[in-house]
Amino acid sequence: AQSVTQLDSQVPVFEEAPVELRCNYSSSVSVYLFWYVQYPNQGLQLLLKYLSGSTLVKGINGFEAEFNKSQTSFHLRKPSVHISDTAEYFCAVSDAGNMLTFGGGTRLMVKP
Amino acid sequence: GAVVSQHPSRVICKSGTSVKIECRSLDFQATTMFWYRQFPKKSLMLMATSNEGSKATYEQGVEKDKFLINHASLTLSTLTVTSAHPEDSSFYICSAPNDRGSYEQYFGPGTRLTVT
Repeated sequence: AQSVTQLDSQVPVFEEAPVELRCNYSSSVSVYLFWYVQYPNQGLQLLLKYLSGSTLVKGINGFEAEFNKSQTSFHLRKPSVHISDTAEYFCAVSDAGNMLTFGGGTRLMVKP
Repeated sequence: GAVVSQHPSRVICKSGTSVKIECRSLDFQATTMFWYRQFPKKSLMLMATSNEGSKATYEQGVEKDKFLINHASLTLSTLTVTSAHPEDSSFYICSAPNDRGSYEQYFGPGTRLTVT
């Protein structure tokens, strides 16, 4: 069984400040890790993914994440956020069967 | 990139009626699609896995007679909420896995169901 924990339900941050959204997972098998973003009343858009290889993954909109196997974490970071980054962010894990397990989500609120 | 569409985007229906939501993969084939339900300010909960040519696989606690899933073709899955009640009001999202083995899923834009 897999599970995903997003430690912060809300993260307020000022514009142009750095941000880190935390994600920890548990799984008994090798996993693939994803971060998705959801804007109000819309579906999910893939930000980035880790399948294998380099543990530092770069995604769209200036986001990056680092896979840490020993700490079973996949935290999402951005060095300087914009107002437009305000959204809900979901961390997810998948096994080879394609089924995604989502974390509870983190609402990023960027303030001017 | 691959696109998944959902129709309708919003629907309001009266209690006791049935509502059908369509999920289509527009430029790729999907032998499997997933249906999720999302409550306000909550995460996505997997309801069922839709399989082309066979019965859907439902998650524990999901009523298969209430949420009917039909995977009619390699590009279309439908979710029918039968005898809808106000507690069925929610945001329903479908997804389809990338067909090139990248383990990525493409999500539809979601359908907002309101039962009055």
